[in-house]
Amino acid sequence: EAQVTQNPRYLITVTGKKLTVTCSQNMNHEYMSWYRQDPGLGLRQIYYSMNVEVTDKGDVPEGYKVSRKEKRNFPLILESPSPNQTSLYFCASSFGRLGSPLHFGNGTRLTVT
Amino acid sequence: EDQVTQSPEALRLQEGESSSLNCSYTVSGLRGLFWYRQDPGKGPEFLFTLYSAGEEKEKERLKATLTKKESFLHITAPKPEDSATYLCAVQAEGNKLVFGAGTILRVKS
Repeated sequence: EAQVTQNPRYLITVTGKKLTVTCSQNMNHEYMSWYRQDPGLGLRQIYYSMNVEVTDKGDVPEGYKVSRKEKRNFPLILESPSPNQTSLYFCASSFGRLGSPLHFGNGTRLTVT
Repeated sequence: EDQVTQSPEALRLQEGESSSLNCSYTVSGLRGLFWYRQDPGKGPEFLFTLYSAGEEKEKERLKATLTKKESFLHITAPKPEDSATYLCAVQAEGNKLVFGAGTILRVKS
C-alpha cells in the first residue's frame, strides 16, 4: 500500500530535550516536506526537499533541522524543543512536478512542556 | 505576499442541504489550486487540482470551480460522511504551496 509513515504519532517531551520525528514514503517520490498545523493558521511549511541531499527552508524553519540521505526518508529534528513548538506535524511527499498532489502521513502530535 | 483565505471557518448543514465553500487567493503566478479533505486524526487527502480560470472538476457530491481570484467547492446533497475539514492550497511560482486555514464542515442527519 502506498503510504507516508510518520513516527511517533504522539510525543510528550520537555524543553531542551532533543527529539527526532521520522518520516518514510514508499512511492519513490522525489519531493518531501514537513508542515506544522496550528488552529486558525492552517498548514505552514517548515522544510522541504526536492531530492536526496537537497533541502531548503519553508516558511517557519527556525528551531528545526532536516536531512535527506535516502530518497524514502526525511526525518525532522528538534535540537532543543521549546513550548512554542507544540503542534501537530505532518510529513508529505509527491513526485514534485507541477500539479502533483501531496500525500500526507497521519501526523505527529508533539507537546513540549 | 501570497495569501489564501477560506470561508466560512465552519459550516453546519442538514443532510441534503447543498452549499459552497470559498477559497480566495492572492498569489503571484498561480500554477495550480488544490483541494484536500482532512478527517480528525488523519492527514489531508487529495481531492482536486485546478489549473486555470473556468476549469471545473467533479467527484461524487463535490464540484470544484476556479476563477482568477477564488475557487469554490460545491457540495450537492451532502451526507454525514462528508463531514470533515476542507483545505485549499495554491501553488505559486517556485512550486511553493500555501494553505488556507480550512473550513470545518458538519453534516447532520
